[in-house]
Amino acid sequence: QVQLQQWGAGLLKPSETLSLTCAVYGGSFSGYYWSWIRQPPGKGLEWIGEINHSGSTNYNPSLKSRVTISVDTSKNQFSLNLSSVTAADTAVYYCASEYSSSSGLENWFDPWGQGTLVSVSS
Amino acid sequence: QSVLTQPPSASGTPGQRVTISCSGSSSNIGSNTVNWYQQLPGTAPKLLIYSNNQRPSGVPDRFSGSKSGTSASLAISGLQSEDEADYYCAAWDDSLKRVFGGGTKLTVL
Repeated sequence: QVQLQQWGAGLLKPSETLSLTCAVYGGSFSGYYWSWIRQPPGKGLEWIGEINHSGSTNYNPSLKSRVTISVDTSKNQFSLNLSSVTAADTAVYYCASEYSSSSGLENWFDPWGQGTLVSVSS
Repeated sequence: QSVLTQPPSASGTPGQRVTISCSGSSSNIGSNTVNWYQQLPGTAPKLLIYSNNQRPSGVPDRFSGSKSGTSASLAISGLQSEDEADYYCAAWDDSLKRVFGGGTKLTVL
């Protein structure tokens, strides 16, 4: 039973870099993609990007210029860096495990981390 | 503005059947499977339906999903007070992006 636990700084100033880490417990780290998803207060979900155990990444085109997702397989952890943050980046950030079928046509997020509220304010 | 379109709200009384729609396009729902997530107040989203109509272990069979063309639906039968939550549809978009609906707030009257 995979569990995800995430942590990181919750208050940033504009132009700073957001950094969050997610640890994977109780399951296989390889064979899955690991994603970051965010939810602005009172709004819907936005996929940020993903990484697999080999370090292969995919990013949301709208955030790609500011996002870096990295992996540490020795610790079963993956991390999110989002540079040059503004108030628009204020959100709850979730890490999640993404299952992908062998065909690649079926994908879903399960489970999710507990979420980290990141606020950007001067 | 979300890529997938959901009604912002839905409601029903206990015991009723409620459906939530999700509309997309040929690049997402039209060519990929749809998943649904339930988000109870103050908690992380939880997988409710995957691959259009499959329920993970532990999800009651009151919840069902369907897909036709570029639209999908989530149906909840025998509505219960604990079903009051936000519901999100999601799919893979051919731009190699995972996309979500804007969410539907379900109120049990």
